[in-house]
Amino acid sequence: GAGVSQSPSNKVTEKGKDVELRCDPISGHTALYWYRQSLGQGLEFLIYFQGNSAPDKSGLPSDRFSAERTGGSVSTLTIQRTQQEDSAVYLCASSGQGVYEQYFGPGTRLTVT
Amino acid sequence: LAKTTQPISMDSYEGQEVNITCSHNNIATNDYITWYQQFPSQGPRFIIQGYKTKVTNEVASLFIPADRKSSTLSLPRVSLSDTAVYYCLVGGGATNKLIFGTGTLLAVQP
Repeated sequence: GAGVSQSPSNKVTEKGKDVELRCDPISGHTALYWYRQSLGQGLEFLIYFQGNSAPDKSGLPSDRFSAERTGGSVSTLTIQRTQQEDSAVYLCASSGQGVYEQYFGPGTRLTVT
Repeated sequence: LAKTTQPISMDSYEGQEVNITCSHNNIATNDYITWYQQFPSQGPRFIIQGYKTKVTNEVASLFIPADRKSSTLSLPRVSLSDTAVYYCLVGGGATNKLIFGTGTLLAVQP
C-alpha cells in the first residue's frame, strides 16, 4: 500500500514569507508526527497528533510554527514569517492505533533565502 | 523526559557483528525503546522495538537490561549497505513524547 507522502519535496522561500508543508499519512493511521532535521543533525520532535488533536505541541520552536490535522488524515505544518534558521528537512511520520512503530515520509526540504 | 546518548560514530568491516549502545538513564515506566536506520536524503526506517529483555527480528536484535537504562542494538554480519545513521528512540507510553538520540554513524568497510 501507499506510504507516507509529503509535499512539496523541495521548497525555496524568501525570508519573511509563510510556507505550508503537507503530510498524507498511511491510510488508517491514527497518530501523526512532525520532526525537523537540520543539515547533519539528528531529528527534532515538533508535534504529535492523535486523531485531530495535538496532545503535545511543546516541540514547536516558536509561535511562528503551527500545525493542524483534519479528518484524522492530512496534516499541514505552517511556518509564518520564515527565518533562515528554519531551513531544514521537515519529516512527517504516522503510526497505527496502539503501535509505536513510525513510518516516515521522504521529507520536505525547506530553504529560506 | 528521557534523554538518550549514543556514540557519534562506529567503524566496522563486512561480515562482523556490530553492537551499538544507547544510554537512557531517565526512561519512564511506560516508555518503549525503538531503533531506526537512516540513509542520506531519506526518512528514518524502523528496525526494531522493545520494552525489556531481548527482542529479535529478521534484521537485528535488541538487548535491554533489567534496569532499562540502556539498550544495545546488535546487527549480525553487517554489509556495506548497512552504512547509515542509527537512531535510538525512547518514548511512547503515557506522554507519547518521542525523543531521538544523537544518532550513530556506522561506517562499514570492505
